Amino acid sequence: AQTVTQSQPEMSVQEAETVTLSCTYDTSESDYYLFWYKQPPSRQMILVIRQEAYKQQNATENRFSVNFQKAAKSFSLKISDSQLGDAAMYFCAYRSGGGGSNYKLTFGKGTLLTVNP
Amino acid sequence: GAVVSQHPSRVICKSGTSVKIECRSLDFQATTMFWYRQFPKKSLMLMATSNEGSKATYEQGVEKDKFLINHASLTLSTLTVTSAHPEDSSFYICSAPRRTGTGFHIQYFGAGTRLSVL
Repeated sequence: AQTVTQSQPEMSVQEAETVTLSCTYDTSESDYYLFWYKQPPSRQMILVIRQEAYKQQNATENRFSVNFQKAAKSFSLKISDSQLGDAAMYFCAYRSGGGGSNYKLTFGKGTLLTVNP
Repeated sequence: GAVVSQHPSRVICKSGTSVKIECRSLDFQATTMFWYRQFPKKSLMLMATSNEGSKATYEQGVEKDKFLINHASLTLSTLTVTSAHPEDSSFYICSAPRRTGTGFHIQYFGAGTRLSVL
């Protein structure tokens, strides 16, 4: 079974600064996808960024980027120019390749990010 | 706007009663949907995979007779918590995979249902 580990229960960052959230995973599969989801106080899950395992290039979405180290099974999220609206719980998630039931996600325990003004 | 609608957002019920939670994909069809449970300040734990037109697949440790799942159409899955007890109080979230223009499927989540059993 796949596991996802987020070793930072809480992180804080000053507004406009940069913060990196860590995530490691364990799998024996070669075809998989990794995601970062954000859960603000409203508890609505929002996709932040995704990475296909077969892609060597790190994914980037505006202020959000990842550092995907496949051999090390590491998938960290960097948030640049942090904004107050970035404050939320961030979950790292794993999904196997293929379709149907393989679309299910395995989540890490989450990192609560606080943004200080 | 919302891609996946979940209703109700909050429900309070008496112990021993049953509660039904609906999850709808709003502008796409989903042959598979997923139900998660989230305890306060905890992660999402997959409960079951809802399959349109067939039986749901439950994760280990999840009582299928307690958590009844029905996926009768391509846009609707329901989770019924039967004979609810206080320990069933939790936040329940559904999700559905939606195909993007590139063929990739992204999970979209409902807004969740907070169940409180008195």
